[in-house]
Amino acid sequence: KQEVTQIPAALSVPEGENLVLNCSFTDSAIYNLQWFRQDPGKGLTSLLLIQSSQREQTSGRLNASLDKSSGRSTLYIAASQPGDSATYLCAVCLYSNSGYALNFGKGTSLLVTP
Amino acid sequence: DGGITQSPKYLFRKEGQNVTLSCEQNLNHDAMYWYRQDPGQGLRLIYYSQIVNDFQKGDIAEGYSVSREKKESFPLTVTSAQKNPTAFYLCATNTGAADTQYFGPGTRLTVL
Repeated sequence: KQEVTQIPAALSVPEGENLVLNCSFTDSAIYNLQWFRQDPGKGLTSLLLIQSSQREQTSGRLNASLDKSSGRSTLYIAASQPGDSATYLCAVCLYSNSGYALNFGKGTSLLVTP
Repeated sequence: DGGITQSPKYLFRKEGQNVTLSCEQNLNHDAMYWYRQDPGQGLRLIYYSQIVNDFQKGDIAEGYSVSREKKESFPLTVTSAQKNPTAFYLCATNTGAADTQYFGPGTRLTVL
């Protein structure tokens, strides 16, 4: 069974710092990897999707990388802001005989202090 | 407005009762999913449906049931057989391929 691990579980940084969130997975036979943001008590918002054939994706201050062979992905956030405070979830997409499904990590809780 | 709606936002259930959570979408997506989230945990897949009138069990389907009679709707029933139903329930949709999943705002279910 695919295991998805996110490190660290929690992170607190001062505003303006660059930071890296880590995600690792045990089965490299993935279709893609997705990063989501979740605010307290809310649903998930998609941030970036990296196809298995890609090495990285960028959106604004966010950059996600994927090394499928080693089972690792990183989410880089540049010039962090208090509004970035949220939980960040990593999920890998696999195919089974029933279709595509996402396996989620437990998330990294980020606090950016003014 | 395009999107995914879930209702109610908060739901309280007495032990032994069945309750139904609503998920509606107007994104014209074929696939719909139900996840459960417990505090400090990632999301776990309960059921998913790739097309109308078809659905598949996820990792934790015991004590839950679903139907998919319309493309727009994928209701989840939490039955009395689910022994620990207190959790945050999230509905998601996508095109059915290995595509981005879009999430609703969630329903928080509490058993009294």
